[in-house]
Amino acid sequence: AAGVIQSPRHLIKEKRETATLKCYPIPRHDTVYWYQQGPGQDPQFLISFYEKMQSDKGSIPDRFSAQQFSDYHSELNMSSLELGDSALYFCASSPRTSGGLGADTQYFGPGTRLTVL
Amino acid sequence: GQNIDQPTEMTATEGAIVQINCTYQTSGFNGLFWYQQHAGEAPTFLSYNVLDGLEEKGRFSSFLSRSKGYSYLLLKELQMKDSASYLCAVRGSNYQLIWGAGTKLIIKP
Repeated sequence: AAGVIQSPRHLIKEKRETATLKCYPIPRHDTVYWYQQGPGQDPQFLISFYEKMQSDKGSIPDRFSAQQFSDYHSELNMSSLELGDSALYFCASSPRTSGGLGADTQYFGPGTRLTVL
Repeated sequence: GQNIDQPTEMTATEGAIVQINCTYQTSGFNGLFWYQQHAGEAPTFLSYNVLDGLEEKGRFSSFLSRSKGYSYLLLKELQMKDSASYLCAVRGSNYQLIWGAGTKLIIKP
């Protein structure tokens, strides 16, 4: 079965540089979530999109922005990178079904490991 | 505030049974999820409970008591590959997932 695709898998940047992470959701999933996970920590919700519109905002810094495109893929843009931005960035997707048990279960991509030097 | 509590670490023996508990206090409740996460990998969906009771899925079962704000994940016939972190997550009133810090499960031969 098709899974969530993220690219790149690994990214090394220097302080103050910019980075763009891409996420391709599971086919027919219209909701995308972005998470940041530091070593030994639980995933921190950043932002989500439903039908190309921002649906929820978590602890996303102002230096970051994201969008969802017409083909439902999403990009997380990170500017003025800081050392503390080094983390695993996960994208998850879900089908936004109405009613029914198990609706909106999030399925995670393999993640992008960002290292800021 | 909102919080989810689960033990930091547990150790069990291959072939045995282990129960990982999760208690939660959230504003609103729209379901509880269990995910498995191996180090450096993505969380993998294990189970979803929204009604009280036990959901069984092969070697894994998950239980929910909404009145007690309590869930557990039961793993039977433990295998070495079950060594991972197990994350409890609650979907609150705004449909955002609130994550526990995870329980690191160590399986010994």
